[in-house]
Parts: sequence; structure tokens; C-alpha cells
Amino acid sequence: GQSLEQPSEVTAVEGAIVQINCTYQTSGFYGLSWYQQHDGGAPTFLSYNALDGLEETGRFSSFLSRSDSYGYLLLQELQMKDSASYFCAVPGNTPLVFGKGTRLSVIA
Amino acid sequence: NAGVTQTPKFRILKIGQSMTLQCTQDMNHNYMYWYRQDPGMGLKLIYYSVGAGITDKGEVPNGYNVSRSTTEDFPLRLELAAPSQTSVYFCASDRAYANTGELFFGEGSRLTVL
Repeated sequence: GQSLEQPSEVTAVEGAIVQINCTYQTSGFYGLSWYQQHDGGAPTFLSYNALDGLEETGRFSSFLSRSDSYGYLLLQELQMKDSASYFCAVPGNTPLVFGKGTRLSVIA
Repeated sequence: NAGVTQTPKFRILKIGQSMTLQCTQDMNHNYMYWYRQDPGMGLKLIYYSVGAGITDKGEVPNGYNVSRSTTEDFPLRLELAAPSQTSVYFCASDRAYANTGELFFGEGSRLTVL
């Protein structure tokens, strides 16, 4: 089976940097995905790491270490609009399995 | 650019009633999924389909049924609604088993069973 662990809540100050960690257990690992979901909205895709290392997309970066079964999402220059839930997910030879999500609160 | 369209967006059901949540995608994706999300929780897979005529159970299929007669449509049927089925339901699609990690989601259908 597949399981993912991520912190349930994180609070950070506007303009700061925050890291959301995700550890996973899975058979047949293909990569790690990240999704953002605002309250009342649908999940939207942020990033995907198939290989070890850091992938950068604007203010957001995602990191993967396959040997440690670990990844993180890094959000820089936090803005109030970044307040949302963030989910890690593992694709593979079965449909996408999601973690329970990390609720990020950005405060002034 | 419609993407994945779900109807209805909101619905209140009485215990024991039945209903169908509709899902249509216009991206010619072979793979479609139904997830449910309870408050403050992640998404749990109900059913999925890898193409027309093919469906399979996910993690929480009890109380639901699906069909896939066309590539575009993947309706979810709730039989004998129960309060435990109060949730937000998301339909999603992809070309394959999300080998790019990206699913395309509908806006969700918020169902309350009283």
C-alpha cells in the first residue's frame, strides 16, 4: 500500500519562507506531487518531482530525496493568498494517493 | 476551456434517497476518478476508470456505483444515501495514471445527507 505523512498545520509570517515536509511509504515509486487547495475550492496542481533534487517554479520549490522517502514544498516570500491546504501525493501504477494535507496560515 | 465539469454543485438529500453526480471532461482523457473529501481531511478514492467500459473500486467504494459508457462522462451514483456520505465529491481526469503527477479536478459537488 501507500501512505504519506505531513504536518497537519503550519503558521508563518507574511514575507517569510515556509517548508512543508512529506514522508511516504509506497511500492513502485514514480514521483511526488504537490497540490494546493483553498477553502471551498478544488485541488490544483503545483509541482511534480520524479528525480532527486529541487524543482523551482516561481516562489514555490519542491524537493525530493528518493533514498530518504522524503520531500518538501518550499514557499518563499509568503503572501496572504498562500493561506491554503497543501497536499503531497504519490502517483504510480495505481491512482493518485493523497496525504491528509497541511493547512498553512499566513499571518501579518 | 471547460476542463472537468461537475453537476450539481450543491445538493441536500434525505436519508434513503438516491442521486447521481455528473462528471464530464472535454480533454479526451482516458483516466477518470471520483474522490471524496471530508472536512479537514485528504482525498479518498471512491472509483476510477481507465477507459470507456472499464471501472474499478478505490479505497471507499461502498454505497456508490459508477459507469463509463463514453470517454467524456463518468457519473457517480449514490444509492440509499446515508449521513456518512455527507462530503465534498471531486471528479478528476488524466491521460494516464498521473505519471506526470497532475490530475485535473472539477470544482466539486457538495452533498449533505439529512
